Amino acid sequence: KAGVTQTPRYLIKTRGQQVTLSCSPISGHRSVSWYQQTPGQGLQFLFEYFSETQRNKGNFPGRFSGRQFSNSRSEMNVSTLELGDSALYLCASSLASGTYEQYFGPGTRLTVT
Amino acid sequence: KQEVTQIPAALSVPEGENLVLNCSFTDSAIYNLQWFRQDPGKGLTSLLLIQSSQREQTSGRLNASLDKSSGRSTLYIAASQPGDSATYLCAVKGRTEEAGANSKLTFGKGITLSVRP
Repeated sequence: KAGVTQTPRYLIKTRGQQVTLSCSPISGHRSVSWYQQTPGQGLQFLFEYFSETQRNKGNFPGRFSGRQFSNSRSEMNVSTLELGDSALYLCASSLASGTYEQYFGPGTRLTVT
Repeated sequence: KQEVTQIPAALSVPEGENLVLNCSFTDSAIYNLQWFRQDPGKGLTSLLLIQSSQREQTSGRLNASLDKSSGRSTLYIAASQPGDSATYLCAVKGRTEEAGANSKLTFGKGITLSVRP
């Protein structure tokens, strides 16, 4: 069974631009969560989507948003990019929201210049 | 607010040594705890998941234990090999989130393990 896939794998953007990242969960998984990983802050939860609804949101500004489609694929968008948004963005999928094991994708490395 | 701590931040051991990685968390009201491995620049690989009702889980040379009441978990690696070199992260899923059961994981900063040949 194919794992979690994320596209693109690498991205370079300029301050002020916006970016959209994509995540395809494991087949049959309906929950998708997004995390930001930086050397200083470690892994921080952005948000979770389940059945096309946002279930929970981390402590990030409104520039960070996401959505989930009927096939469970998810996108996250960051508008008005700042240098501090440079990070590895990881997506995780699980069967459903709750106590299920989470499986992570390879991540998208975003560099903002 | 749940906080997860992993100390030390880095560890270097000779090949063949048995080792224990520690993880502590401040709120014992958790659904489960998961250990992950991360290779440089890569995503996370799930190693072991321990539900709150369980005391330990084993997979090959790995054994993870959970003591909810003291807010601690350990990952035991037997007969370490150079291929075990990676960053090991523990993460907990809390029971006290406003939205009820959801998938948010709170991570520690990780322990970077180096196994010397």
